[in-house]
This record gives sequence, structure tokens and C-alpha cells, in this order.
Amino acid sequence: GDSVTQMEGPVTLSEEAFLTINCTYTATGYPSLFWYVQYPGEGLQLLLKATKADDKGSNKGFEATYRKETTSFHLEKGSVQVSDSAVYFCALRGGANSKLTFGKGITLSVRP
Amino acid sequence: EAGVTQFPSHSVIEKGQTVTLRCDPISGHDNLYWYRRVMGKEIKFLLHFVKESKQDESGMPNNRFLAERTGGTYSTLKVQPAELEDSGVYFCASSYGGPNQPQHFGDGTRLSIL
Repeated sequence: GDSVTQMEGPVTLSEEAFLTINCTYTATGYPSLFWYVQYPGEGLQLLLKATKADDKGSNKGFEATYRKETTSFHLEKGSVQVSDSAVYFCALRGGANSKLTFGKGITLSVRP
Repeated sequence: EAGVTQFPSHSVIEKGQTVTLRCDPISGHDNLYWYRRVMGKEIKFLLHFVKESKQDESGMPNNRFLAERTGGTYSTLKVQPAELEDSGVYFCASSYGGPNQPQHFGDGTRLSIL
């Protein structure tokens, strides 16, 4: 079945550092890929998405590129801020299914 | 526009008791989903309603869980009787239209079974 693997956390960075959070997936067909973010005390919010190979999703300075050849969708940001501290979830939606398959999530802490 | 609302935000009950979680989707959203995150693990799909009908309930863990969506508006998820392994955060999401539409999530209900 479908699955998503995220790098182990937590991750602690200093403000303005470069961020990469790895995500790889296993799915049949051509899934859509997502990054969701959960800020402290809040629900899940869609951060960005990509629906086909080589698409790049971007939002709030974050980017991720759908790489079919490596089945990856790594999240990057050039300069993180304290306000980016949150839990980040990689997810996929496979084929005609509408349900989301999530990774375990990774906690990012950014210190001033 | 009001977002997806979940009640209660936190529930603490003893093993063997019954708990009912509620989700109010965004108005007009036909699709309603339940997900669960057990501590430190993946968020896992439980089930999907289209209006009042269960479209996919393949993720429901066992028959102690009962989900309803009478009238196609709000939904309830009842756990009876609750077991220790049911502890976690239960998320509800809703969307409008086809499967490619974005799902909007609520803040979740944190369920603690003692």
C-alpha cells in the first residue's frame, strides 16, 4: 500500500539557517504530494502541494519539488524564522482515492 | 467563513467508558474525513463521508468505533468502550467537490484514556 517516510526528528536550527526536511514515498500510480504544517495549539494547515512530476510547490518561502525518479518531495527553506517552529507532515493522495497518507511528522524548533 | 470545528478539544476518560467526538465541517462541504494520530506515529485515515454516506471506512480500527453523519452536516465519532490504545489526537477534515480538492483540517480532539 501507499506509504510516506520522513526523516527522523526533532530538528533544531538557528534563525536564518537553511532547512531541508526529507520525504520519500511509495505509491502506485501518480499520487499528489503535500506538506502540511501544525503550529503549536493549532490544526493542520496545507503548506504546499504538487500534483505531477517535476512540479514545484511553494508557499511562505518553503519549496518542494515532486521528483518521480527518486520518489521524493523534500521540503526546503533558505532562511528559517522563529515563527516556522512547528510540526511538519509530508503526505500523499494516491490515484482516485481522496484519503491522505501521512508520514510521522517532524518537529522543527528555530531558536533566535 | 468558519473553519472546521471539533469538540471537545481535550477529553480524559477511563478505560471502559464511552466518548463521543464531534466535528462540524465547513458549511457546504460534502466530504468529511476522520483521521487519528497516536503519539509519535503517523496520522492515519479512519473514514470518509460523502454527505451522509460512508464512502470509505477502511481505516476504522475495530467495531468499538462508530461514526455517523446524520443529515450530511456534522459528524460524530463514538468510541465504546474506550481502550488505552485509543489515546491520541483525532482530526476531522472537510472538502468540497472531487477528490483533488484540498482538505481543511480542524484543530483536533486530544483523547486520553486512563
